[in-house]
Amino acid sequence: NAGVTQTPKFQVLKTGQSMTLQCAQDMNHNSMYWYRQDPGMGLRLIYYSASEGTTDKGEVPNGYNVSRLNKREFSLRLESAAPSQTSVYFCASSMGLAGGEQYFGPGTRLTVT
Amino acid sequence: DQQVKQNSPSLSVQEGRISILNCDYTNSMFDYFLWYKKYPAEGPTFLISISSIKDKNEDGRFTVFLNKSAKHLSLHIVPSQPGDSAVYFCAASANAGNNRKLIWGLGTSLAVNP
Repeated sequence: NAGVTQTPKFQVLKTGQSMTLQCAQDMNHNSMYWYRQDPGMGLRLIYYSASEGTTDKGEVPNGYNVSRLNKREFSLRLESAAPSQTSVYFCASSMGLAGGEQYFGPGTRLTVT
Repeated sequence: DQQVKQNSPSLSVQEGRISILNCDYTNSMFDYFLWYKKYPAEGPTFLISISSIKDKNEDGRFTVFLNKSAKHLSLHIVPSQPGDSAVYFCAASANAGNNRKLIWGLGTSLAVNP
């Protein structure tokens, strides 16, 4: 039982390049989330998926797209990376019910030069 | 506008003593509160939670207290251990249909000194 896994762990991009961050969970959770964490800014929600087949914008969605490929997988795509997207990205999942507990992956450290 | 505030960026405590981490919130619709711990280079891990119908919840060395009238909650760690050194995030959520989004504080970095 791996929980939430993310790939890659590290990535360096040049401005304008694109990439997709992958996330998968094996806990049969309904909801999945993408966050970014920047120094002094805490965790900010980029996009979330309440259930398979649905996605919604979070607090900072600009410059990102997501795909909920199936119940297990939720990917985050940067179409044209910018230095402002340098951050640590976390994927999380939850049952989506009253409990609210979210379970996080180990993160992807992205640098855009 | 920060709806969940952790006003102390850092806290230092001696091993064996009590650590008290504080969190304030502004949205009276929040009805569920969580604490997460985060070590460097790892994702946050869930620690303990409390529903707004309670004022206290305990789990081993960790106790969370909720004061709804003051819109304040605190996490007590007794006794503190060096392995507790981490960043602690407070998060809150409101009932929004079948999905809950968490609103996060900025975190408090706890250092427990041997």
